[in-house]
Amino acid sequence: DAGVIQSPRHEVTEMGQEVTLRCKPISGHDYLFWYRQTMMRGLELLIYFNNNVPIDDSGMPEDRFSAKMPNASFSTLKIQPSEPRDSAVYFCASSFSPRGQFANEQFFGPGTRLTVL
Amino acid sequence: AQKITQTQPGMFVQEKEAVTLDCTYDTSDPSYGLFWYKQPSSGEMIFLIYQGSYDQQNATEGRYSLNFQKARKSANLVISASQLGDSAMYFCAMRRPQNEKLTFGTGTRLTIIP
Repeated sequence: DAGVIQSPRHEVTEMGQEVTLRCKPISGHDYLFWYRQTMMRGLELLIYFNNNVPIDDSGMPEDRFSAKMPNASFSTLKIQPSEPRDSAVYFCASSFSPRGQFANEQFFGPGTRLTVL
Repeated sequence: AQKITQTQPGMFVQEKEAVTLDCTYDTSDPSYGLFWYKQPSSGEMIFLIYQGSYDQQNATEGRYSLNFQKARKSANLVISASQLGDSAMYFCAMRRPQNEKLTFGTGTRLTIIP
């Protein structure tokens, strides 16, 4: 079975450019998460969706960041305009919650390493 | 607010020895979930083990076990018979009730010495 798929794996861009990160969750999973990992701030949740609906976006740093989930098998995280401080590894994760219960694990994708020059 | 504390930034352990990675947490919620993830140098996040706050027994998964002490608010990861492939960053995380959001600790870098 395919795990969580992220693309691109590496992205190098110049300050001011738009960046779009993509994620395909595991089929059948109803939650999708976007995380950012940096040396300074560690792993932090940016936003998560349940059944394609954004539930908590309190971690989105500012209006330059936006995320969408148009269907159950695809999500994007967009940064416009990008800045050098956005350089980080961005992870997408997904999970499945049986009815009335919470998921016991989140499955992470391989991450996208973003460098903004 | 929830907080996860991992006080060991780095550990060196001889191969085949057991190792304990510390994790303490702070929450006022009676129901929560605790997780451990492994991040090898390749970068991916690998789920290791889960403990629910109401679980009566400590969780175990192969060589991994979770030493859950609820009164002390600690959830230490124990790796038995360590292997060279265990060298990685290890993150403790907590999930609050009614929410799938995970809060992660700062991690512990474990290095297994041959």
